[in-house]
Amino acid sequence: EVVLTQSPDTLSLSPGERATLSCRASQSLTNSYLAWYQQKPGQAPRLLIFGVSKRATGIPDRFSGSGSGTDFTLTISRLEPEDFAVYYCQQYGGSGTFGHGTKVDMK
Amino acid sequence: EVQLVESGGGLVKPGGSLRLSCAASGFGFSYSGMHWVRQAPGKGLEWVASISSTSSYISYADSLKGRFTISRDNAKNSLYLQMDDLRAEDTALYYCTAPQGGSYYDPFDYWGQGTLVTVSS
Repeated sequence: EVVLTQSPDTLSLSPGERATLSCRASQSLTNSYLAWYQQKPGQAPRLLIFGVSKRATGIPDRFSGSGSGTDFTLTISRLEPEDFAVYYCQQYGGSGTFGHGTKVDMK
Repeated sequence: EVQLVESGGGLVKPGGSLRLSCAASGFGFSYSGMHWVRQAPGKGLEWVASISSTSSYISYADSLKGRFTISRDNAKNSLYLQMDDLRAEDTALYYCTAPQGGSYYDPFDYWGQGTLVTVSS
């Protein structure tokens, strides 16, 4: 089973700043089945990115995904107040292993 | 509008059983892969199990095999999770999820609000 390790655990930033979140897989994801989700307190997760870099329906273009093999990145170009949340990466495709999450909080 | 409504959660003693249900509407349930994901209080997301549209493909998290069983009834637009030999560490909010694209191999676009399972004596 693939293990996903996210870093950092917490990212403290101000609105308008750029956020860079990392997700490392224990083995190469050759099929690019890598997704990112956002979760706010008391809410269900929301799909942001799938297939490493494709934005889900209705997701603003300040969110972007990149990477290949074992190293993947979610970038939020300019943080809006509503972007402060927990972000999870996931390997999907018949299963659904999640990383442990990165919390983006307001400095 | 897509709706996933989980039910069946509650308080159960260690070693007990529960059956969770998820009622789906607003999309082609019988053509869609489905998944269960759980979240322990204050913790991260944990994938539990997945099932393809015709139940031909089923997968489980390694840590849960043998205790949990995923199933579905396409005539009733319903997904189920039978949970046996429950342990304190199974205490969590259990979400039902579905892919917009419908494939068992697609990411998890639609989510319910979850049903809470508490395992305690």
